[in-house]
Amino acid sequence: QQKVQQSPESLTVSEGAMASLNCTFSDGTSNNFRWYRQHSAKGLEVLVSIFSDGEKEEGRFTAHLNRANLHVSLHIREPQPSDSAVYLCAHAGNKLTFGIGTRVLVRP
Amino acid sequence: ETAVFQTPNYHVTQVGNEVSFNCKQTLGHDTMYWYKQDSKKLLKIMFSYNNKQLIVNETVPRRFSPQSSDKAHLNLRIKSVEPEDSAVYLCASSRLPLNQDTQYFGPGTRLLVL
Repeated sequence: QQKVQQSPESLTVSEGAMASLNCTFSDGTSNNFRWYRQHSAKGLEVLVSIFSDGEKEEGRFTAHLNRANLHVSLHIREPQPSDSAVYLCAHAGNKLTFGIGTRVLVRP
Repeated sequence: ETAVFQTPNYHVTQVGNEVSFNCKQTLGHDTMYWYKQDSKKLLKIMFSYNNKQLIVNETVPRRFSPQSSDKAHLNLRIKSVEPEDSAVYLCASSRLPLNQDTQYFGPGTRLLVL
């Protein structure tokens, strides 16, 4: 069963500085990963879906997948205070398996 | 723009009561899901329906029962709630089943069992 772990647990960045989040998984044969964002009292918002090794950019969000290293990351370019939220990494196999999330705080 | 709607937003009840949560999606998707998000914020799939047919049923207590009247609606009923049922319940939908397509989530229903 695929296991998904995220780091760090929490991250504080200044507005405009790059934010980097990490996600490791246990099964390297998988190739379907998604990053979601969850604001307080709101549902999950999908940010990026990535299906092959390399990079996938969606606006200010860029995901990097390296299956050999069992690693997928998310980089937030020019983060804004409105980007403060919990970011969830998910593996999409026969079901969506989520990590515990990284809480990001963007300070003005 | 919200396209997956959940009611109620918040519900407080006592142990042993029955509760029902509603979910509706206006995306025209064929597949809908219920997830449970516990106090540690871990999200886990509970059920999945495709065209009103149950396709995923994770190991959840039998007091939980999903109900689908059509492919745009998937409700969740909990008979005789217990304290460990306190959580946020998230509904989602996708065009294709079995995670072949992006899932879109509703805002969640927060349940507190006293």
